[in-house]
Amino acid sequence: AQSVTQLDSQVPVFEEAPVELRCNYSSSVSVYLFWYVQYPNQGLQLLLKYLSGSTLVESINGFEAEFNKSQTSFHLRKPSVHISDTAEYFCAVSDQRSGGSNYKLTFGKGTLLTVNP
Amino acid sequence: GAGVSQSPRYKVTKRGQDVALRCDPISGHVSLYWYRQALGQGPEFLTYFNYEAQQDKSGLPNDRFSAERPEGSISTLTIQRTEQRDSAMYRCASSTTGLEQFFGPGTRLTVL
Repeated sequence: AQSVTQLDSQVPVFEEAPVELRCNYSSSVSVYLFWYVQYPNQGLQLLLKYLSGSTLVESINGFEAEFNKSQTSFHLRKPSVHISDTAEYFCAVSDQRSGGSNYKLTFGKGTLLTVNP
Repeated sequence: GAGVSQSPRYKVTKRGQDVALRCDPISGHVSLYWYRQALGQGPEFLTYFNYEAQQDKSGLPNDRFSAERPEGSISTLTIQRTEQRDSAMYRCASSTTGLEQFFGPGTRLTVL
């Protein structure tokens, strides 16, 4: 069984400040890792993913996450946040050895990032 | 093209009634997933379809829950004899490879 822990349920920051949203996972098998974002009154959107290769992955809007296998972590960071980054962020994992094409996701509880002016 | 759509967006029902939630995936997406999200929690997996075949229903909480995708496109999640604990956001996602899932807006179900 897999589990995902997002230690911070809420993270308030000021605009232009750096932010880190923490994610740790537990799994007996190798996993793929994802960050999803949910803006107010919208559905879940994929922000970035780690499948293989470089452990540092980036999104188009300045977020990055680093896969750390030894610490079983996939923390999300941004050096300077904007008001528009206010949203709920979900970390998720999927079993690499799913068999076929079933890559069902196990999600954390989410972190609400609030960027204040 | 259009994204994943779900209907209704909101559903209020009385305890004991049956409800049917619809998901219309992105055209050509063979994989379809249903998740349920309680307030303050992350989404939890319910069931998975590959074309019309329901290949994983391990997340369905009990036999009141069922799902179908008869023609490999639109899917319906049915909850019979609803209970208050069924109140949640029900989310559908579709995918080509399964590794990038595109989510619909969800259906918020409230059971009174």
